[in-house]
Amino acid sequence: DSGVTQTPKHLITATGQRVTLRCSPRSGDLSVYWYQQSLDQGLQFLIHYYNGEERAKGNILERFSAQQFPDLHSELNLSSLELGDSALYFCASSVEEVGGTDTQYFGPGTRLTVL
Amino acid sequence: GEDVEQSLFLSVREGDSSVINCTYTDSSSTYLYWYKQEPGAGLQLLTYIFSNMDMKQDQRLTVLLNKKDKHLSLRIADTQTGDSAIYFCAESPSGGYNKLIFGAGTRLAVHP
Repeated sequence: DSGVTQTPKHLITATGQRVTLRCSPRSGDLSVYWYQQSLDQGLQFLIHYYNGEERAKGNILERFSAQQFPDLHSELNLSSLELGDSALYFCASSVEEVGGTDTQYFGPGTRLTVL
Repeated sequence: GEDVEQSLFLSVREGDSSVINCTYTDSSSTYLYWYKQEPGAGLQLLTYIFSNMDMKQDQRLTVLLNKKDKHLSLRIADTQTGDSAIYFCAESPSGGYNKLIFGAGTRLAVHP
């Protein structure tokens, strides 16, 4: 158990709908990262938040957005869903040590199925 | 550009050593990581190596880094059936704000 929790574990929805994925980082970690794992694209970095502020964006679609709240949990919002958005969405957290490795610990993921 | 490449499949006999290889492109990557993903599970951090090291050993795991060739390998000694999983190599490019760039993953199958 990495200490990172994600809910829900599975989500099945229809095209055009909107969903929210939730992540709670490890105790003490200020950074949250979101990744998407799909069969055709592999593991792709989506977005990084540090202590409530957006730090970096990767291959994140405009239909997707995220935020990190004062209690450090994060939500990834996916809207106008398409079949191709079906994937495993991972959240990771890190403590962000200055001058050291910023090892990321991953949650169990949310499997999204868009029908 | 940022790219990490791995072979997709490796089959070994139980008790043998497994060697999973990875090449990366960003020479400025400070840390390189190995993660393990079992079926239906998340990514488990196995080990990492700092770019100024050549080798790191952690129990049955040995990581070798050839920075000149941008080649990373993970050796698992005495491979067990419980080691069957997908292994991902990842780099953290400098200036990338700590995002991880993953390879496609190597599926390790351990047979009796």
